[in-house]
Amino acid sequence: EAEVAQSPRYKITEKSQAVAFWCDPISGHATLYWYRQILGQGPELLVQFQDESVVDDSQLPKDRFSAERLKGVDSTLKIQPAELGDSAMYLCASSLGLAATGELFFGEGSRLTVL
Amino acid sequence: KQEVTQIPAALSVPEGENLVLNCSFTDSAIYNLQWFRQDPGKGLTSLLLIQSSQREQTSGRLNASLDKSSGRSTLYIAASQPGDSATYLCAVRNNNNDMRFGAGTRLTVKP
Repeated sequence: EAEVAQSPRYKITEKSQAVAFWCDPISGHATLYWYRQILGQGPELLVQFQDESVVDDSQLPKDRFSAERLKGVDSTLKIQPAELGDSAMYLCASSLGLAATGELFFGEGSRLTVL
Repeated sequence: KQEVTQIPAALSVPEGENLVLNCSFTDSAIYNLQWFRQDPGKGLTSLLLIQSSQREQTSGRLNASLDKSSGRSTLYIAASQPGDSATYLCAVRNNNNDMRFGAGTRLTVKP
C-alpha cells in the first residue's frame, strides 16, 4: 500500500541550530501539506503545495521556517534557528486534490525536541 | 473562520461497549469531513471520508454520519476492543480547500 514517507522520525537539537525534515508523498499526489501538531492538540497547517507552487503559507513563521518542493514531488521543511517552542510533531500529508475525493493521507511524522 | 470542536476530550469504556464520538463545526459550507485515528507518537490514519453530499460512511465496525445543516458529525464504534484505544480526530475541509482539525477525543477501551 502506498504511503507518505517522512524522515527523520525523531530529531533532538539545541536551540539556535538548524533542522530539516523530508517528505515523499504518495506517488501521483499533487497536493502536499506540512502540519505542526503540539501534544494534545489537532494538527495546524504550516504550508500547502500544489505541485511545486505554494498555495498557502499564511501560518508559516517565515523568519525561521522555509519549505520547498522543487520538482513537485518530495519536499523539505527547514527551521533555522530552532527555538524551544518549536518542539512538536511535524506531519506531512498528501492528497490527489479537490479534483478527486480530497482524502488526506499522513506520514508517520517527525518528532522534534529542542533543548 | 471554521472552528471544529470534539467532545468529550477523553472517554473510557469497557470492552464490548458501543460508543459515539462527536464532532461539531461552525461553517456548514464544507467540501468533506474526514475521521482519523492517531496512536501515541504516530501519524494520523484515515478511517472514513464523507463527502458533503453524503449522509454516512461505513467501514467494518465504524460508521460516520454527517449532518451539514446542524454542523455535526458522529463516529460510531460498535463492539469496542482494547485495540481501538487511540485518539480520534475529525477534520473539516471547506470549499476553499482550507482544512481544520479538532483537538481529538482520547479513547481508552478497558479489557
